[in-house]
Amino acid sequence: DTGVSQDPRHKITKRGQNVTFRCDPISEHNRLYWYRQTLGQGPEFLTYFQNEAQLEKSRLLSDRFSAERPKGSFSTLEIQRTEQGDSAMYLCASSVRSGYGYTFGSGTRLTVV
Amino acid sequence: GQQLNQSPQSMFIQEGEDVSMNCTSSSIFNTWLWYKQDPGEGPVLLIALYKAGELTSNGRLTAQFGITRKDSFLNISASIPSDVGIYFCAGLVLDNFNKFYFGSGTKLNVKP
Repeated sequence: DTGVSQDPRHKITKRGQNVTFRCDPISEHNRLYWYRQTLGQGPEFLTYFQNEAQLEKSRLLSDRFSAERPKGSFSTLEIQRTEQGDSAMYLCASSVRSGYGYTFGSGTRLTVV
Repeated sequence: GQQLNQSPQSMFIQEGEDVSMNCTSSSIFNTWLWYKQDPGEGPVLLIALYKAGELTSNGRLTAQFGITRKDSFLNISASIPSDVGIYFCAGLVLDNFNKFYFGSGTKLNVKP
């Protein structure tokens, strides 16, 4: 069990550019979650996958955001045409079953300049 | 979304003191989690509570699932400098097992 891995740890991008983040969950966990955290706040739910199926998306996930989990293993979160308001920590988590506590990765800190 | 109110927002204590923080909601939750987050890192799960009234310990940490199912508290005994961080509660509502809602955190500072 190597934990949940996220890459990159930090990303600085210019406004209007596209960015993509990767998450590798714990291998036996079939549920994968993306959360966003801004300074001084708790994590906010963005979306979740059971295996390769994306089963729920938050209204926070505008049409500039897209997430995939093509083979039910790793996941990617893409943000198109980034805006300064997208600056945040993007956290990935996985769990073995619905309703069980998540294991989080270390997050990707995005700064849009 | 669901609102989870954590209190206090921050606290400054002396090493060795006991700490208590809580989390309340206007909705009924069927699972409560407590996490700790260090700067620049993801939250780490400390304690999970699955039944109303449940009292669970993890070393110096003790958490309880309130019997009304609308609150939970976390106690830390004999605090040490490495307890410094932000503590988050998270809850799972009855009608959606797919996502946890998080409070805004309690920032703990421990003076050696």
